[in-house]
Amino acid sequence: DTGVSQDPRHKITKRGQNVTFRCDPISEHNRLYWYRQTLGQGPEFLTYFQNEAQLEKSRLLSDRFSAERPKGSFSTLEIQRTEQGDSAMYLCASSSAGGANTGELFFGEGSRLTVL
Amino acid sequence: AQKITQTQPGMFVQEKEAVTLDCTYDTSDPSYGLFWYKQPSSGEMIFLIYQGSYDQQNATEGRYSLNFQKARKSANLVISASQLGDSAMYFCAMREARGTDKLIFGTGTRLQVFP
Repeated sequence: DTGVSQDPRHKITKRGQNVTFRCDPISEHNRLYWYRQTLGQGPEFLTYFQNEAQLEKSRLLSDRFSAERPKGSFSTLEIQRTEQGDSAMYLCASSSAGGANTGELFFGEGSRLTVL
Repeated sequence: AQKITQTQPGMFVQEKEAVTLDCTYDTSDPSYGLFWYKQPSSGEMIFLIYQGSYDQQNATEGRYSLNFQKARKSANLVISASQLGDSAMYFCAMREARGTDKLIFGTGTRLQVFP
């Protein structure tokens, strides 16, 4: 079990460019989540997959954001035409259970995006 | 709508003392789970403890315990015998049984442990 891995760990880009982040969850976990965390705040939910199905998207996720999880394994989060307000840590998490059960989320180390 | 409130932006505690970090929540779902996570300066989110809404007893995990008061909708984290390595951000989170499985997080409390 190598944990949740995210790539790249750091990305600096110019405004207007597209960026893509990748997340590899723990292999037996069928649930995958993307969160965004800005300085001094808690993680904000962006989107959630159960296997390959994207079951929920936050209103925070504008049409410039798209996430995929082909084949229910790794996931990508793409941000098109980046804006300075997109600068944040993008966290990926996975879990094997949900609802009110324990089945805590296991987080990756995050991908920090800086938009100049 | 579900909501988590952490009213303490920062807390200080002396090494070896106990500290309580406050968390209140709001939900209309009778079935839910409450979680606490630790985020050190390195950035990774570390799961600490879980409490289910139907659990009869307060959860404990080593030096961590959760003071669950259902009627007051509070789920405070108690850290006993604080250590310097406990200095970090602490986040309370909730997941409802109905709907999707996302966790909703509070804004966090920064704990600083001093010698």
